[in-house]
Amino acid sequence: KNEVEQSPQNLTAQEGEFITINCSYSVGISALHWLQQHPGGGIVSLFMLSSGKKKHGRLIATINIQEKHSSLHITASHPRDSAVYICAVEGGGGSQGNLIFGKGTKLSVKP
Amino acid sequence: NAGVMQNPRHLVRRRGQEARLRCSPMKGHSHVYWYRQLPEEGLKFMVYLQKENIIDESGMPKERFSAEFPKEGPSILRIQQVVRGDSAAYFCASSGEDISGANVLTFGAGSRLTVL
Repeated sequence: KNEVEQSPQNLTAQEGEFITINCSYSVGISALHWLQQHPGGGIVSLFMLSSGKKKHGRLIATINIQEKHSSLHITASHPRDSAVYICAVEGGGGSQGNLIFGKGTKLSVKP
Repeated sequence: NAGVMQNPRHLVRRRGQEARLRCSPMKGHSHVYWYRQLPEEGLKFMVYLQKENIIDESGMPKERFSAEFPKEGPSILRIQQVVRGDSAAYFCASSGEDISGANVLTFGAGSRLTVL
C-alpha cells in the first residue's frame, strides 16, 4: 500500500463544475503539499498546509490531521485547470523537502 | 526574480556517458532539493542540500549519482555512466521561509534526460 493515496486517478469535468480531489496518507506528517503539473511538465506549488484550510482564488485546500486526509477543491472549473494534481507529504521521519508523493490525479476540464 | 532555473532543459546522452544537470535556486533561497520523475511514475525525492552541505541524500541511488551545492554557483546533479533506466525528468526545487515562517517550495521547469 502506498503511503500517499490519491483519488480519483483520472477525472473529467465540464467547465463550471465543482471539483474535489482527495488525498489520504498513512504516515505522521509535518506538512502536506498540493502541486500542479502542467501538460508541458512544469510543476507549481499550490498549497502547503499543516492544519485547517487555505484558499487561493478558486482553489481551496483542507486537511484533517486526525483522519490523515486532505482535499483539494476547484470551484467554477475552467479548461485551463486541466493538469495533473499531486499530493505530497513532508515529515514521517524525513527531512524538510523529503516528500512522499502521490501518483497524481489527472484532471481534464471540457469546455 | 527569475525563479528556479534549471539547465539544460533537455539532455541526450549515450549509455556510459556522464550527465550534469544544473539548478540555480531562487534569489534568497538557501535550500535546494532534487526530485526524479521516471516515465509513467510519480515523483521521488533524491537529495536535499544547503550551501556546501548535503543534508539528506536518502533518496539518491547508491552508485553513479552525486549532488553538490557549492558556495558559488548552481547546484549540480551528476550522473556517471548513464544507463537507459536513468531516462527521466529531474526537477529541482528551492525554498526559503515565507512571511509565515513556512518553507514554501518553488520548482524549476525540470531537465529531461534521455539515454540512448
